[in-house]
Amino acid sequence: QKEVEQDPGPLSVPEGAIVSLNCTYSNSAFQYFMWYRQYSRKGPELLMYTYSSGNKEDGRFTAQVDKSSKYISLFIRDSQPSDSATYLCAMSASSGAGSYQLTFGKGTKLSVIP
Amino acid sequence: ETGVTQSPTHLIKTRGQQVTLRCSSQSGHNTVSWYQQALGQGPQFIFQYYREEENGRGNFPPRFSGLQFPNYSSELNVNALELDDSALYLCASSQDIQETQYFGPGTRLLVL
Repeated sequence: QKEVEQDPGPLSVPEGAIVSLNCTYSNSAFQYFMWYRQYSRKGPELLMYTYSSGNKEDGRFTAQVDKSSKYISLFIRDSQPSDSATYLCAMSASSGAGSYQLTFGKGTKLSVIP
Repeated sequence: ETGVTQSPTHLIKTRGQQVTLRCSSQSGHNTVSWYQQALGQGPQFIFQYYREEENGRGNFPPRFSGLQFPNYSSELNVNALELDDSALYLCASSQDIQETQYFGPGTRLLVL
């Protein structure tokens, strides 16, 4: 079993729809949870960063973390064609050396159709 | 403020060759992490450098090595290239070890 599981999609939605993206994980040591957006042939861009369980909202984006279920979500409201990209969840825990390496899911490819 | 930059953008090598990839961290950042992203996969952690010292390593063989310089820029070196090394190599910098990582655009390496 991989440490982080993410449905690769692809996911196709009409413009204006609410999008729900999810990841599950198995490592209880993960403390920090991130969502990155990656456009084709570009580097990942940080969207949301959360620590511990709960919700965090930023504009049209809401990140949810449920540590008891080892489950994180990203919701996108009023989706736009410019949201079409691959969304990567990432998590980190302190290693013995103090390195905060990120462990990523495979990414979910999202297409928002005008 | 300049973001993370990487060079070259694309590279083609043949099996057995060696390659050096370069990364300039964002201004004020002292930590650089390197990741390998194969096609259709999420990035995989290679190693991290903090103030010129290796500070954690993922599950990659010793032929993957790195350096960090006094200005906190960094190099990733890969010896004895294999076909499976074909991937997007991403560099990320952060203000400190525990801080948010910001990624560069990556170097796309193709090994023939």
